[in-house]
Amino acid sequence: EVQLVESGGGLVQPGGSLRLSCAASGFTFSSYWMHWVRQAPGKGLVWVSRINSDGSSTSYADSVRGRFTISRDNAKNTVYLQMNSLRAEDTAVYYCARVRDSGWNPLGHWGQGTLVTVSS
Amino acid sequence: DIVMTQSPDSLAVSLGERATINCKSSQSVLYSSNNKNYLAWYQQKPGQPPKLLIYWASTRESGVPDRFSGSGSGTDFTLTISSLQAEDVAVYYCHQYYTTEITFGQGTRLEIK
Repeated sequence: EVQLVESGGGLVQPGGSLRLSCAASGFTFSSYWMHWVRQAPGKGLVWVSRINSDGSSTSYADSVRGRFTISRDNAKNTVYLQMNSLRAEDTAVYYCARVRDSGWNPLGHWGQGTLVTVSS
Repeated sequence: DIVMTQSPDSLAVSLGERATINCKSSQSVLYSSNNKNYLAWYQQKPGQPPKLLIYWASTRESGVPDRFSGSGSGTDFTLTISSLQAEDVAVYYCHQYYTTEITFGQGTRLEIK
């Protein structure tokens, strides 16, 4: 069974940093692209970033480019999201998600999410 | 980026009746080389992550009840629930995965009338 477990969320002051982790199990982690998607309280889903299977290619939403960095450690079956220069508008539940199947596919598996609150 | 626009924003339907949600993309998500529409639908209930219902615009994910169906091509798509059940109360999102920068619709809240 595919499992994705996020951690690392919490309360941080504006301008601060956090690193989110997503531990994966139940599948061959190194074969799949991984994404981060966020959802502000009471709002919709917003894609944040993605990384390909070997970590050689990444992509970011305009709103986080230059501040957030996605990475992965295939030996540890974990994907990360380093978030710097955090702003109030970054407050959201952050979901880690795996594509449904290898290749160009929709997000088929999601973690339960971790809440990031940016506030003074 | 491809902008996904859903309509309506909210919808109230009686139990057993049909519910229809529309999604329009700002550019085609049909890939001509394989004739596939890179369009998916998700269901999200309170406090839960999204659940994949439909992909390739009309393929039902394993385990999804057959009252859920997807249709459309190019830029215009529809999610239909043929006979609304109480457990279908949720927010529904369309999603394009045609581009690397994937995007979602704003969501449609479905309630019981």
